[in-house]
Amino acid sequence: GDSVTQMEGPVTLSEEAFLTINCTYTATGYPSLFWYVQYPGEGLQLLLKATKADDKGSNKGFEATYRKETTSFHLEKGSVQVSDSAVYFCALSLNYGGSQGNLIFGKGTKLSVKP
Amino acid sequence: DTAVSQTPKYLVTQMGNDKSIKCEQNLGHDTMYWYKQDSKKFLKIMFSYNNKELIINETVPNRFSPKSPDKAHLNLHINSLELGDSAVYFCASSQWGAGNTIYFGEGSWLTVV
Repeated sequence: GDSVTQMEGPVTLSEEAFLTINCTYTATGYPSLFWYVQYPGEGLQLLLKATKADDKGSNKGFEATYRKETTSFHLEKGSVQVSDSAVYFCALSLNYGGSQGNLIFGKGTKLSVKP
Repeated sequence: DTAVSQTPKYLVTQMGNDKSIKCEQNLGHDTMYWYKQDSKKFLKIMFSYNNKELIINETVPNRFSPKSPDKAHLNLHINSLELGDSAVYFCASSQWGAGNTIYFGEGSWLTVV
């Protein structure tokens, strides 16, 4: 079935370190791909998305590229800040029929950034 | 100007009670959703409504009943609450269509004791 696998956390980094959170997917057809972020005690916010192969989503210094050949959508940031500490969710949305809008989430990766 | 707002934010209730969570969106979207986040942070869709019509109904106990009085509202009623219903429930909305962004509310933390 359709699924998302992302690296297990927690991930602990020092401020200004490079961040990669791996995400791979299994899906029928060509899904849209998303990264959502959840700060402590808050709801989910869209961080970035890509809707077709080779698209790059970017926001707030984060970026991810939709790689159809490796079925991946890895999240990267060149220099993390303490304020980036949160749980990051990779998700896909199928693009046909009644499944549109059904976000299938990975298990989340908790990121802690130390000063 | 909260885009997707849900109430209450926190709810503590006893087993066997019936409770409702209300959700409203002011984004003009035609599709609304309920997602559940369990204690391990895993998120899964429960229901989706498009133009007040039920589209997705995942395997959810029939104690859970969504109601959409209009396109801007989607409420969740839960009967005979059980300990295992303790979770965070997120309302969300989007415009129907492939790849459209889904906007989430801030969540309702339900604790059943």
